[in-house]
Amino acid sequence: AQKITQTQPGMFVQEKEAVTLDCTYDTSDQSYGLFWYKQPSSGEMIFLIYQGSYDEQNATEGRYSLNFQKARKSANLVISASQLGDSAMYFCAMREGWGGKLIFGQGTELSVKP
Amino acid sequence: NAGVTQTPKFQVLKTGQSMTLQCAQDMNHEYMSWYRQDPGMGLRLIHYSVGAGITDQGEVPNGYNVSRSTTEDFPLRLLSAAPSQTSVYFCASRGGSTLTLSYEQYFGPGTRLTVT
Repeated sequence: AQKITQTQPGMFVQEKEAVTLDCTYDTSDQSYGLFWYKQPSSGEMIFLIYQGSYDEQNATEGRYSLNFQKARKSANLVISASQLGDSAMYFCAMREGWGGKLIFGQGTELSVKP
Repeated sequence: NAGVTQTPKFQVLKTGQSMTLQCAQDMNHEYMSWYRQDPGMGLRLIHYSVGAGITDQGEVPNGYNVSRSTTEDFPLRLLSAAPSQTSVYFCASRGGSTLTLSYEQYFGPGTRLTVT
């Protein structure tokens, strides 16, 4: 069965420093996709970044990059130059099949200290 | 575009009552889904639809019904509410193109439901 594991319930980072949020996944599919979503205290789900299993290069979106290590089945999110507004819950998710079904991890709560 | 809209934003029900959570999208997306989020947990899929007239169960379907009569709307029905259904409910949609970002799910703002 497909599964997403986020082993860090909470993380602290100093403002302007980089932080890595861990995500490992388990799937027997050859084609899959990995997402990261941000959920601030207001509750909405904000799409950050996507990596397809066949993408040769790691995905990047502004200050976000996804460190994709296929052999290790990991898809860690790297946030560079943390800002106070980055304080939120972060969810890793995997696309199941070619449809839109997503499997989510339990999330990591990131707190950015001034 | 309004994106994905959900109503109501908040709802309190008594055990045994029924209600419908509304979800609509104006992006002509084929795929729509409902998730629930419990405290300290990620989102779990309740039901999904790959197009009008086609629905299927997700990971936690018990106690919920769905139907998809139009592309735009995907209501979630609670037939007899139970305290275990206290949760935040998110509706999401995605398009069907071959571009990478077509896999992106657009989430609604959520409905916070409390069952007493």
